Amino acid sequence: EAQVTQNPRYLITVTGKKLTVTCSQNMNHEYMSWYRQDPGLGLRQIYYSMNVEVTDKGDVPEGYKVSRKEKRNFPLILESPSPNQTSLYFCASSLSSGGVGTQYFGPGTRLLVL
Amino acid sequence: ILNVEQSPQSLHVQEGDSTNFTCSFPSSNFYALHWYRWETAKSPEALFVMTLNGDEKKKGRISATLNTKEGYSYLYIKGSQPEDSATYLCAFSQAGTALIFGKGTTLSVSS
Repeated sequence: EAQVTQNPRYLITVTGKKLTVTCSQNMNHEYMSWYRQDPGLGLRQIYYSMNVEVTDKGDVPEGYKVSRKEKRNFPLILESPSPNQTSLYFCASSLSSGGVGTQYFGPGTRLLVL
Repeated sequence: ILNVEQSPQSLHVQEGDSTNFTCSFPSSNFYALHWYRWETAKSPEALFVMTLNGDEKKKGRISATLNTKEGYSYLYIKGSQPEDSATYLCAFSQAGTALIFGKGTTLSVSS
C-alpha cells in the first residue's frame, strides 16, 4: 500500500530533550516536506527536500533540523525542544516539487513539550 | 508575504443542501492551486490540483473551479452528506515556491 508513515504518533517530552520524528514513504517520491499545524493557523512548512542530500528551509524552520540521506526517509529533528514547538506535525511527499505535485500526507505526530 | 484566504471559516448545513467555499490567492505568477479534504483525526487528502485558468475539476459530488486572473477558486459540494463533514484546505503556489495553505473552511453537515 502506498503510504507515508510517521513515528511516533504521539509524544510528550520536556524542554531541551532532543527528539527525532521519523518519516518514511514507499512511493519513490523525490519531494518531501514537513509541516506544522497550530490552532487558527494554516499548515506551515518547516523544511522541504527536493531530493537526496537537498534540503531547504520553509516558512518556520527555527528550532528544527532535517536530513535526507535516503530517498524514502526524511526525519525531523528537534535539538532542544521548547514549549512553543508543541504542535501537530505532518510529513508529506509528492512525485514532483510541492508546487504542482499532489501532496501525500502522513498520519501526523502530536507533540507536547512541557 | 503571500497569503491565502479561505471563506467562510466554518459552515453548517443540512443534509441535502448544496454549498460552496472560496479560496482567494495572489493573482500574479500563478503556478498551481490545490484543494485538500481533512477529516478529524486523519491526515489531509488531495481532492484536486489545478494549474490552468478556467480549469474545472469534478470528483463525485464535489467540483472546483479556478480563476487565476482574479485570484480565486470555488469548491462546490452538491447534495451535502454527513460524511462530507471535514475541513477543506486550499493551497497555492507561485513558480518556484512551496505550497502556501489557507486556514481552511470547516464544514459540518447535519442529518
